[in-house]
Amino acid sequence: QAVVTQEPSLTVSPGETVTLTCACITAVVTSGHYPYWFQQKPGQAPRTLIHDTTNKHSWTPARFSGSLLGGKAALTLSGAQPEDEAAYYCLITCSGARIFGGGTKLTVL
Amino acid sequence: QVQLHESGPGLVKPSETLSLSCTVSGYSISSGYWWIWIRQPPGKGLEWIGSISHSGSTNYSPSLQSRISISSDTSRNQFSLTLTSVTAADTAVYYCLTSAGGWGQGTLVTVSS
Repeated sequence: QAVVTQEPSLTVSPGETVTLTCACITAVVTSGHYPYWFQQKPGQAPRTLIHDTTNKHSWTPARFSGSLLGGKAALTLSGAQPEDEAAYYCLITCSGARIFGGGTKLTVL
Repeated sequence: QVQLHESGPGLVKPSETLSLSCTVSGYSISSGYWWIWIRQPPGKGLEWIGSISHSGSTNYSPSLQSRISISSDTSRNQFSLTLTSVTAADTAVYYCLTSAGGWGQGTLVTVSS
């Protein structure tokens, strides 16, 4: 059983909003679990979108935001664009270790 | 922007030791942040390997802890990964990255005789 869980796949229409979540099976996720979010497009290295729950990098599009939601870490994409189709991975501290979620494949259709 | 570049052999024999280095430019690794290794087996998701802080503190994956070591060489502005007793399950693209946000392009390491 995976320790850190994400939705395996989600579909969003262009211009719409979607929220991806990241859960630790042993704990409610807080800022103290230092959630990170990464985007990976096929054939490319991942890139970091969000660090430490809510913080963006200079290259992070404004339409992406990080938060805590219902005991989980969350990544919200407001106004999806075709170029946002990718795999998204979270990274949190869970059960005392830094662990990636299994990833969410986001389709923009 | 911080730039990272992995280097090391692309092929390692089973039971041998995998050694990779990550050269950092644009920032001194002794000044701050965490310096991280992760890997991605072909067609699969990301796996945390471990990290080293700017002050030399390390944090390893519990599942790999007995086989890995991460060190830094501030004179070369590099940090390195050593993974012992490799098997085919260690075949993956290995990435170095930093908590400052930058990533290397990744290097494929194949374990095969």
